[in-house]
Amino acid sequence: SAVISQKPSRDICQRGTSLTIQCQVDSQVTMMFWYRQQPGQSLTLIATANQGSEATYESGFVIDKFPISRPNLTFSTLTVSNMSPEDSSIYLCSVESSSYEQYFGPGTRLTVT
Amino acid sequence: AQKITQTQPGMFVQEKEAVTLDCTYDTSDPSYGLFWYKQPSSGEMIFLIYQGSYDQQNATEGRYSLNFQKARKSANLVISASQLGDSAMYFCAIRGFGNEKLTFGTGTRLTIIP
Repeated sequence: SAVISQKPSRDICQRGTSLTIQCQVDSQVTMMFWYRQQPGQSLTLIATANQGSEATYESGFVIDKFPISRPNLTFSTLTVSNMSPEDSSIYLCSVESSSYEQYFGPGTRLTVT
Repeated sequence: AQKITQTQPGMFVQEKEAVTLDCTYDTSDPSYGLFWYKQPSSGEMIFLIYQGSYDQQNATEGRYSLNFQKARKSANLVISASQLGDSAMYFCAIRGFGNEKLTFGTGTRLTIIP
């Protein structure tokens, strides 16, 4: 299994500001995934991040709102830009192991006021 | 396209009893993987068990087992000898091969009663 850490674990931000979330994995992985979980809801994939290429975004998510960086095989960042209260969610990164199992980081709990 | 249906929004189970959480799926992929995750109130997603569509045996991990019935498109999670610490949200998810994206169900909130 992979050990994944995320920073920050939680934050309270003001409307209109941006927050960058970091995800660090203890081993090299090809793909990293960013999910959002709105309050009381299930998880929804935001985008898939490959090292050295542009992230692939799911329907309903755009790069201007959720820019992603993937500078190497163990690290990625997700920025939530120009935040509104509707962005209040848990944001989780995940990776896939060689045996197809997917593991998640501990999540970043974001509240936008 | 993939879809997961979890029809039990909430369940209450007596401690030490076994519990079955239902999951049905729909997919057009010839091969796929099925996952169960536990999410306690802290918000982290804890991987529990994985079943590949071509695996001959049902997956087991300690007290967790996956009752995979391919013809019925069901992948129920069975927790034996439930414990108070099992109280959490449980999500079923599916992944098609060639597409690593996970599609999640709406979850089941399990409460273990002492």
